[in-house]
Amino acid sequence: EAGVTQSPTHLIKTRGQQATLRCSPISGHTSVYWYQQALGLGLQFLLWYDEGEERNRGNFPPRFSGRQFPNYSSELNVNALELEDSALYLCASSLEIGTGNQPQHFGDGTRLSIL
Amino acid sequence: QKEVEQNSGPLSVPEGAIASLNCTYSDRGSQSFFWYRQYSGKSPELIMFIYSNGDKEDGRFTAQLNKASQYVSLLIRDSQPSDSATYLCAVSITSYGKLTFGQGTILTVHP
Repeated sequence: EAGVTQSPTHLIKTRGQQATLRCSPISGHTSVYWYQQALGLGLQFLLWYDEGEERNRGNFPPRFSGRQFPNYSSELNVNALELEDSALYLCASSLEIGTGNQPQHFGDGTRLSIL
Repeated sequence: QKEVEQNSGPLSVPEGAIASLNCTYSDRGSQSFFWYRQYSGKSPELIMFIYSNGDKEDGRFTAQLNKASQYVSLLIRDSQPSDSATYLCAVSITSYGKLTFGQGTILTVHP
C-alpha cells in the first residue's frame, strides 16, 4: 500500500514569491493535515482538511492556505514568502476522524528554502 | 506552560537496556496519544498510539497512559542502535483534528 506522497521533495524560492506544495493521502484516507517543522520550533500544525472542507487552522497568517480536491489530495499554498517560511512541510493523512481518533501517517515532506 | 512537554534529552542507553521516554500534557480534554520516531532528515513515523488508561504493548514497545496525572510514556525494551532517533510525543482532541507535539527527546543507543 502506497503511503502519503508529497511533491516536490525540494523547493527553492525567493522572498515575495508563491509556493505550492502537493500531497496525496493513503488510499482510503479522507483527512489531510499540514504541519510545518522549522529548525528550533518543532512540529507546528497548519491546516486540516476533511471531505473538501477546511476543519481547523493553526496559528499561521492567512498567506498560508490550501484546499482539498474531490480525490482527497491536497495543496498547500504559501503566498508572499518570507525567509522564516524556510522549513520542512509535512503532510499527514488519516481515516475519517468522525469515526473516532485516528492515527495520522506522514509523508516524506517538502523542504522549502527561501533565498 | 507548554502544551506537551517531554523529558529533556538527550537520552543515552546501552544496547539491550530499557529506554524510558516521558511526556506530560496540559489539556485534560486530550483524548488520543501518539509516539512518533523521527530519524535525522526523515519524516515522523508512527510507532504507538494509546487512547485508554493503562499499558499497551507492541513488540519491544510499551506505551503507558495515566490521564489523571496527564502523563504518557514509552518504554523500549532490548534497545538497539537502530532505535537511535528523536522520539516525538503527540496528543490530540478528536474535534480539533490536529496533533500537538512535544519538542522531542533524542535517544542514542550505544553498542
